[in-house]
Amino acid sequence: GIQVEQSPPDLILQEGANSTLRCNFSDSVNNLQWFHQNPWGQLINLFYIPSGTKQNGRLSATTVATERYSLLYISSSQTTDSGVYFCAVERSRGAQKLVFGQGTRLTINP
Amino acid sequence: GAVVSQHPSRVICKSGTSVKIECRSLDFQATTMFWYRQFPKQSLMLMATSNEGSKATYEQGVEKDKFLINHASLTLSTLTVTSAHPEDSSFYICSARGPDYEQYFGPGTRLTVT
Repeated sequence: GIQVEQSPPDLILQEGANSTLRCNFSDSVNNLQWFHQNPWGQLINLFYIPSGTKQNGRLSATTVATERYSLLYISSSQTTDSGVYFCAVERSRGAQKLVFGQGTRLTINP
Repeated sequence: GAVVSQHPSRVICKSGTSVKIECRSLDFQATTMFWYRQFPKQSLMLMATSNEGSKATYEQGVEKDKFLINHASLTLSTLTVTSAHPEDSSFYICSARGPDYEQYFGPGTRLTVT
């Protein structure tokens, strides 16, 4: 099956800092989503981005499908950005299901 | 839009009993829903894919007789954990594929089996 690797596994920053989270995947995909899991366990959709670049406020994401990676940028971090960020992908071929990476645990200190 | 609900949010049951979890898409119809399981500080693992009006497709290693899935309508899928044991204690999360192909997730159900 497809492999999804996220880095770094943990990231601790001060409020106001910028960060870049990376997601590498091992096969062609027709779906790539970024999620933020809050402390109560809810997954919040951040981006649906199988290719290209999108921005939403302080967050932006870029997926380079030909090189099989995606980046999530968080600017001017706030304490409410803390939590686990997951990347999940669906292969272009075979069963249509999301495969999750192991996540990046982000801690923003005041 | 694209809201998915789950009920209950938390349940405690005794070993040997069965527990049903409901997953509803509130503002869209979902021909495909998914059930995941998440252990503490781990990622989400897909248990099964649920298609409206047909049998669920289970991932390798998931016992279909233990985790019964029914997708009876375009807005409702249910997961029943039968004869629950303490090792079934976990966080169960459902998702639904929206009309825009994105998956939207419910808030999860925390199951504790005593």
